[in-house]
Amino acid sequence: ETGVTQTPRHLVMGMTNKKSLKCEQHLGHNAMYWYKQSAKKPLELMFVYNFKEQTENNSVPSRFSPECPNSSHLFLHLHTLQPEDSALYLCASSPVGGGQDTGELFFGEGSRLTVL
Amino acid sequence: GQNIDQPTEMTATEGAIVQINCTYQTSGFNGLFWYQQHAGEAPTFLSYNVLDGLEEKGRFSSFLSRSKGYSYLLLKELQMKDSASYLCAVLDSNYQLIWGAGTKLIIKP
Repeated sequence: ETGVTQTPRHLVMGMTNKKSLKCEQHLGHNAMYWYKQSAKKPLELMFVYNFKEQTENNSVPSRFSPECPNSSHLFLHLHTLQPEDSALYLCASSPVGGGQDTGELFFGEGSRLTVL
Repeated sequence: GQNIDQPTEMTATEGAIVQINCTYQTSGFNGLFWYQQHAGEAPTFLSYNVLDGLEEKGRFSSFLSRSKGYSYLLLKELQMKDSASYLCAVLDSNYQLIWGAGTKLIIKP
């Protein structure tokens, strides 16, 4: 139990579907992140939120849309995805609001996404 | 470009010692991290090195040489539960985390 909860743990969707991934952290942290993890590849940072404000968007396609309604919740809305988007999507949080400047991130267990 | 290299997979025997290497080429350096990730679980923080030398924490130790752009994670008295992927990450000059692809460690009885 890391204090970061992600739902659903597994998701299968067609290319025309719309779905959302949810992340909730119970640690009182101010920064939250979405990462993509593909087999045998480094973690790819997708989005960063500090104090509910998006501070980074690493050239992520618009079919991925993040939402951060408060500092404890983070969503990733998915629309018209491609099969190559199949991956593990990890949410993380950190104590400070300056991005990744501590380097110590607290991860959720991830949402395994399969796009058919 | 920025790059982190670590072996894709390693195998070791229960009770033995294993060393997982990580080399990096980054724009600046503000620390190196090791994370452990069991299959189907969240990555969890193991260690942080910002100065040269060895940091010991129980059965796990992490070493850093900034001049060589090199680190290793040393696991002693291996247990079956140490089977996991080990991720190396460097905090660059912009305080961005640059990740390696991870090393899958398989422990055999």
